[in-house]
Amino acid sequence: SQQGEEDPQALSIQEGENATMNCSYKTSINNLQWYRQNSGRGLVHLILIRSNEREKHSGRLRVTLDTSKKSSSLLITASRAADTASYFCATLTSGSRLTFGEGTQLTVNP
Amino acid sequence: EAGVAQSPRYKIIEKRQSVAFWCNPISGHATLYWYQQILGQGPKLLIQFQNNGVVDDSQLPKDRFSAERLKGVDSTLKIQPAKLEDSAVYLCASSSGQSNEKLFFGSGTQLSVL
Repeated sequence: SQQGEEDPQALSIQEGENATMNCSYKTSINNLQWYRQNSGRGLVHLILIRSNEREKHSGRLRVTLDTSKKSSSLLITASRAADTASYFCATLTSGSRLTFGEGTQLTVNP
Repeated sequence: EAGVAQSPRYKIIEKRQSVAFWCNPISGHATLYWYQQILGQGPKLLIQFQNNGVVDDSQLPKDRFSAERLKGVDSTLKIQPAKLEDSAVYLCASSSGQSNEKLFFGSGTQLSVL
């Protein structure tokens, strides 16, 4: 069964705008990670937030975690064409398996 | 620092044939993963090694898939015989610890089964 589900499935914005992607999950987690995948490439780790954290920042990325709602969001500020990629959330449960969601396809138009 | 190396980059085979993929993780990374990514979906874990021992292979179709990690470094994933539904990208990843945090991925092998 799918642990993490991203929303929306696809998002198209203009360069300079902010992009927000959401991830919902079903069971308690140890941490939640976000990865980026450019077309035809492997995944790249972006940021990790632990279950006892509520918000983390890394450059233009801001991640929030609401364990009561079992959801997380990834905000990319001042988007660039190079941010065009698929973004995946991955949840780590106490069983220690890292499970990926289906991803959000982000297109940033120049 | 060299990344995770995978080969081949592409492979086209006919159903019922066999195929093998190779992965060389980042030097010193104890944990190695094989993921299957079907087009339009997220990666699905097939097998996870800690050094040369298997940690999790519960989602590996063992009737046709096999994997090994010799000497706790390189790994090979084999499919025999291949089915049409095995068409996917096979991603290898590695991480330095045991906690499944911050995985480093290779570029993958794109398999097409005709």
